[in-house]
Amino acid sequence: GNSVTQMEGPVTLSEEAFLTINCTYTATGYPSLFWYVQYPGEGLQLLLKATKADDKGSNKGFEATYRKETTSFHLEKGSVQVSDSAVYFCALSGGSNYKLTFGKGTLLTVNP
Amino acid sequence: GAGVSQSPSNKVTEKGKDVELRCDPISGHTALYWYRQSLGQGLEFLIYFQGNSAPDKSGLPSDRFSAERTGGSVSTLTIQRTQQEDSAVYLCASSRKIYAGGTNEKLFFGSGTQLSVL
Repeated sequence: GNSVTQMEGPVTLSEEAFLTINCTYTATGYPSLFWYVQYPGEGLQLLLKATKADDKGSNKGFEATYRKETTSFHLEKGSVQVSDSAVYFCALSGGSNYKLTFGKGTLLTVNP
Repeated sequence: GAGVSQSPSNKVTEKGKDVELRCDPISGHTALYWYRQSLGQGLEFLIYFQGNSAPDKSGLPSDRFSAERTGGSVSTLTIQRTQQEDSAVYLCASSRKIYAGGTNEKLFFGSGTQLSVL
């Protein structure tokens, strides 16, 4: 079955530091890959996605590249801000499958 | 409404009691999903609705769990005879049409109901 493994948190960084949150997956076929973010007190919201190999998703300064050869979709940001403090979830959806398979989430705290 | 609304936001109950969790999706969204997030676990799929019917209930953990949707709008997730392992955050999401990862359809999540079973 499908599964997503993302790096354990929590991650604590200083403002303007570089961020990487690792995500690897196991899936049959050609899944779509996602990063969701959950800010304190809010619902999950889609941060970015990639639907095929070598695609790069980007939003709000965050990027992730769909690497089929390494089955990875690592999230990166060059310079984090305090407002990026949130829980980040890596997820996949297998083709037309409506079910999302999520990782366990990584709590990011950015200090001023 | 402006977003997916869930109520209550927090629910504390005693073991063995029944609970009802409510989800009010975005107006006009035909697809509705329930997920559960247990401590230290990722979100797990429970059930989804297309209109008022639930084509896939495969994620419901036991027969103590049931869900219904009426009028193509509000959905209620009911847990009977709650157990401590039911403690989790229950998340609801909706989309205009059935969500498929390869499409541009967007999935909107509510803030969840934190259920604590003592």
